[in-house]
Amino acid sequence: AQSVTQLDSHVSVSEGTPVLLRCNYSSSYSPSLFWYVQHPNKGLQLLLKYTSAATLVKGINGFEAEFKKSETSFHLTKPSAHMSDAAEYFCYLGGSQGNLIFGKGTKLSVKP
Amino acid sequence: GAVVSQHPSRVICKSGTSVKIECRSLDFQATTMFWYRQFPKQSLMLMATSNEGSKATYEQGVEKDKFLINHASLTLSTLTVTSAHPEDSSFYICSAMGTGIHEQYFGPGTRLTVT
Repeated sequence: AQSVTQLDSHVSVSEGTPVLLRCNYSSSYSPSLFWYVQHPNKGLQLLLKYTSAATLVKGINGFEAEFKKSETSFHLTKPSAHMSDAAEYFCYLGGSQGNLIFGKGTKLSVKP
Repeated sequence: GAVVSQHPSRVICKSGTSVKIECRSLDFQATTMFWYRQFPKQSLMLMATSNEGSKATYEQGVEKDKFLINHASLTLSTLTVTSAHPEDSSFYICSAMGTGIHEQYFGPGTRLTVT
């Protein structure tokens, strides 16, 4: 079965400190993995995607994620958080049948 | 990048009336569009997958007679909430499949409030 688990429902960091949002997946096929960000009352914006090319993927706004097959993880990181990064972040897995499997989301709070 | 629009962005309607939400891909042709519903502080729930020129495929538990989906062209899909009730109040988001495998472009969402 295919699944996505976002390990933290809420992460709080101070401005200027690193961000780590965790995502683990389960898939018997070579996965396509995505991170999206959703600001309050807004749609979703693609941050980055992994589609079996480079395992370290760089996205917009200084975010990056590393695909680790041995750990079945695709964690999202940023070296230094900014106040504008406060939002909800969703990891999703492109399923083998063309379906899309979303994680439950992680709310990122950034303290001044 | 590809742009997907939704109209209206916000709608308030009375219980028992129907509401239509439009989803358009502005600069690419989308053979597949998706409709999601998002409850407050929750993740996206896929409601249905819409393929141009064919009937939508609904997820388990989603009433197809209540949530009518039409995908008549490669750039437009519509979701009609029929006989809306307060429990239908939610944030509805559409997305269109891009050329990349599984990649989606999301619309900005429509906030529906049923009074």
